[in-house]
Order: sequence, then structure tokens, then C-alpha cells
Amino acid sequence: KNEVEQSPQNLTAQEGEFITINCSYSVGISALHWLQQHPGGGIVSLFMLSSGKKKHGRLIATINIQEKHSSLHITASHPRDSAVYICAVLAGNQFYFGTGTSLTVIP
Amino acid sequence: ETGVTQSPTHLIKTRGQQVTLRCSSQSGHNTVSWYQQALGQGPQFIFQYYREEENGRGNFPPRFSGLQFPNYSSELNVNALELDDSALYLCASTPTGHNYGYTFGSGTRLTVV
Repeated sequence: KNEVEQSPQNLTAQEGEFITINCSYSVGISALHWLQQHPGGGIVSLFMLSSGKKKHGRLIATINIQEKHSSLHITASHPRDSAVYICAVLAGNQFYFGTGTSLTVIP
Repeated sequence: ETGVTQSPTHLIKTRGQQVTLRCSSQSGHNTVSWYQQALGQGPQFIFQYYREEENGRGNFPPRFSGLQFPNYSSELNVNALELDDSALYLCASTPTGHNYGYTFGSGTRLTVV
């Protein structure tokens, strides 16, 4: 049983395409993070959401608390966006992580 | 740029040895959590420390232990290393009273041979 489900698992896009990654969760949460992990590298937190929507550059994250669903959008995708994107929800005192979406953006 | 620093970045150990991984958090971050991420999987919760006391633990054996110090640094100790302990170990910290403002470290890649 996975508390956090992400889709798709793998995604290949052409440079410039609009990308959406989805996250559904089954536990009550206080916050949701979208994380970015490059190959062999550590994790960077892109967004922390507890409601609504946030935007940072070409990245947009939304959350619907009632539906227990969040989306990460990348506009005008670029090869440097290639990474694994992980949805992590904070429930109680611990995070539950999705298994990640591996994104490859082709020039 | 993260305010949480982990050291070392990479480490190779032999099965049966002991290892100490370190995490240095931002001033005021009294809560620190450690996670293990095996290759191809999402991170798994090891334990959390709050004000130098363990404050929750995941499904990891007692040979995984931790310490938190007053200077906002912490350690993850693993005894009797096994091959399956090879993973990326992450720490994440947050200021006292905040349950969501976590900052993640860049991780320590441990290889057990």
C-alpha cells in the first residue's frame, strides 16, 4: 500500500512542451512538497504547498486538499529540466514519498 | 542553495563496519528527520529527532541510531553494515514549531561492499 501515488512514472518530452506530473495521496497531510532530484544528486525542494497554487518561473504547482491531489506543471520545458520529480506529503511528523517521475526533455 | 549540509557526500564501507553520517542544519532548526533512499525507490523514513530526543521511528532495525546536538547538527549511525544498506541518506530539518517548513540536505551516497 502506497500512501502517495505519482503518474506517470516515466515521461519523455520535446523541448518546449508543456508537462504535467500528478500526485495523489491517501493520508491526511499538513503540507505537500514537490522535490527535484538529478542523477546521483541530492534532493531540492521546489515547492511546499498546503493549499492553492504556487508559481516559480516556469514551474507551477497546485493542490486540491478535498480531492487529495496535486499537480506539478512545467511550461516551455528545457533539457535542463530532466530529472526525477518526487511528490512528498507530510503527515504527522514524517514524510511519505512517491516513487518519482523520471522526466527526460529532448532538445 | 540549501541551508542543510550533509557530509560526506560519498562513502564506501565494507560489510560489517560501522558508519556515521552527519547533517548540519540551519540555526533554529530543532527538528531533523533522516531518510534512506535505495536505488530506484522513494525515500523511506528512518527516524526524527526533536530537541535531541528521538521523536518517531520508521521500520528500521536498532542498528540504525541517531544523535542530535545543541548546535543543530545531527548524526546517523549504522552498525554492522549490510550490503542492502547501500543507499542515499537524506536529512531534512525544520524550525521549532513548524511542521512543514522543511529544508532537505543534498544527501550522502553510501556504498557497502
